[in-house]
Amino acid sequence: RKEVEQDPGPFNVPEGATVAFNCTYSNSASQSFFWYRQDCRKEPKLLMSVYSSGNEDGRFTAQLNRASQYISLLIRDSKLSDSATYPCVVNTGDTGNQFYFGTGTSLTVIP
Amino acid sequence: NAGVTQTPKFQVLKTGQSMTLQCAQDMNHNSMYWYRQDPGMGLRLIYYSASEGTTDKGEVPNGYNVSRLNKREFSLRLESAAPSQTSVYFCASRTGYNQPQHFGDGTRLSIL
Repeated sequence: RKEVEQDPGPFNVPEGATVAFNCTYSNSASQSFFWYRQDCRKEPKLLMSVYSSGNEDGRFTAQLNRASQYISLLIRDSKLSDSATYPCVVNTGDTGNQFYFGTGTSLTVIP
Repeated sequence: NAGVTQTPKFQVLKTGQSMTLQCAQDMNHNSMYWYRQDPGMGLRLIYYSASEGTTDKGEVPNGYNVSRLNKREFSLRLESAAPSQTSVYFCASRTGYNQPQHFGDGTRLSIL
């Protein structure tokens, strides 16, 4: 079983739409969670950390559900510039150094 | 702010050749990581160094070695390159526990 699973998409949405991605993880001992953004052939860039109580950064909202072992990302009022791939990242292991990336969900925002 | 710097950006090798990928960070981070990314897949952890002087295996360590030269530098070595090691390699670093990683812009490696 994969440590982290994500729907690869693609999600094609019109400008201004709201879109949500989920990411499930298999290890209940996972300790920290992140959403990244990756543009084609570029390095991943941190979008936001995911906190237990949920957190928001502008148009982006992240949530963690430990009971069901998933994290989510909500993007409101989608912009053309949001078009990218969004991998989730889960951190586990005794020393907290085993990182597992999802394949990423591909988002295209259409004018 | 350089952040995480990887060299080289591109490299083509022949099967059996050896090569070292270099990574340096100027953020005084304790932990450093090497990943590979293959088409259509998420990043997979090869090796990491939790702190200067320590290294540990990640998910896909076979065929690679690493050296944490000092706090700033973490190198990845391919002793005898194989076509299956054709990939994009990313180095990352972070401050410590529960903190996010920051990535270099990658090395694109092709092995013929």
